[in-house]
Amino acid sequence: QSALTQPASVSGYPGQSITISCTGTSSDVGGFNYVSWYQQHPGTAPKLLIFDVNKRPSGVSYRFSASKSGSTASLTVSGLQAEDEADYYCSSYTSRNTWVFGGGTKLTVL
Amino acid sequence: QVQLRESGPGLLKPSETLSLTCTVSGSSITSGFYWGWIRQPPGKGLEWIGNIYHSGTTYYNPSLKSRLTISVDTSKKQFSLRLRSVTAADTAVYYCARNVDYAFDIWGQGTMVTVSS
Repeated sequence: QSALTQPASVSGYPGQSITISCTGTSSDVGGFNYVSWYQQHPGTAPKLLIFDVNKRPSGVSYRFSASKSGSTASLTVSGLQAEDEADYYCSSYTSRNTWVFGGGTKLTVL
Repeated sequence: QVQLRESGPGLLKPSETLSLTCTVSGSSITSGFYWGWIRQPPGKGLEWIGNIYHSGTTYYNPSLKSRLTISVDTSKKQFSLRLRSVTAADTAVYYCARNVDYAFDIWGQGTMVTVSS
């Protein structure tokens, strides 16, 4: 199975908003509303930010929001803060009863 | 709170079998969730390895399926990974995680496994 496609890097200034895309196929992102997003700071385990396309777990900041259109999902981080600088990964359930991750996007807060 | 902790050897030689165990605390392993393994090679992205249910039902990454076995021991609140015939390409941080609502909501701290002669 091929990894979902994410931009290698995005950047923004504090207070701005950025969006990270995650492109898959009709067999994964486009076929199910089971896209999740993770934040990973260096040397730490990933943290769940979003599940079921656009739901935030308890404790995750409202500044993180997400959506999906067709086979492309998107994560938006609004009101950028220095602590948001991290790697971000999307993931999707697939038609083969498997899970696939994106290649990851490095967010730099300028 | 629910915690997961990986354990196992950190260094293997090529062709050996990688064996890791994930111990679950603060939750029953039979509470209706799937449990998964994910790995991350140094400097690279995440790769899903496989999931298991407490009944023993498993789902594997097709690219690893021929070398992979994931099992569960409910009495010990543990699930385990065995990956046969390892190569340098299997060098990675290995994470165990709880799979809820088709997402991985709780992760272990990860354990580094290096394959080197």
